[in-house]
Amino acid sequence: SQTIHQWPATLVQPVGSPLSLECTVEGTSNPNLYWYRQAAGRGLQLLFYSVGIGQISSEVPQNLSASRPQDRQFILSSKKLLLSDSGFYLCAWSVLSSSTDTQYFGPGTRLTVL
Amino acid sequence: DAKTTQPNSMESNEEEPVHLPCNHSTISGTDYIHWYRQLPSQGPEYVIHGLTSNVNNRMASLAIAEDRKSSTLILHRATLRDAAVYYCILRGFGNEKLTFGTGTRLTIIP
Repeated sequence: SQTIHQWPATLVQPVGSPLSLECTVEGTSNPNLYWYRQAAGRGLQLLFYSVGIGQISSEVPQNLSASRPQDRQFILSSKKLLLSDSGFYLCAWSVLSSSTDTQYFGPGTRLTVL
Repeated sequence: DAKTTQPNSMESNEEEPVHLPCNHSTISGTDYIHWYRQLPSQGPEYVIHGLTSNVNNRMASLAIAEDRKSSTLILHRATLRDAAVYYCILRGFGNEKLTFGTGTRLTIIP
């Protein structure tokens, strides 16, 4: 069966520090991968998605970046965190790129920037 | 993508059916209606999706209006574990993205 892992589960970082969040998927090949962010009390916002190794599409301009160094690994990074980067970061995967496929979400990383 | 409108919150008694409405008056002919839910402090999970006909699965039923401008997610017998934010999302042909609104926060009363 397929599983998705995210780490760390929680993170507290000072403003201006770097960030690296990792997401890995097991049990499937060539998945589509997604990064979402949920600010406190708000809906989910798609940040990045990837349909293959090295292929990243950005949805929102910001100081975050994403990379996909391996087929089932998706990394979210920042060189300098802002207070507004605080939130709940969720990684998701899907098999297809269609209007009927299902996205499966990981457990999330709760990031607090102080 | 066409937009959806959902009530901000709803309450229901435990062990009773729950009907969660969603309006999507600008839906196009190729848009699928998806429902996800997000339990507290967790990532969203898929509930159900449909195009024109009503759909049933082990979690819920989806009733789609004949003109497709609205739909209703039906939980047949709510439990405390069904307390979550429910999102109604439209996905067009070839659309790999999910665009989440603010959803409906469902509270289950014991």
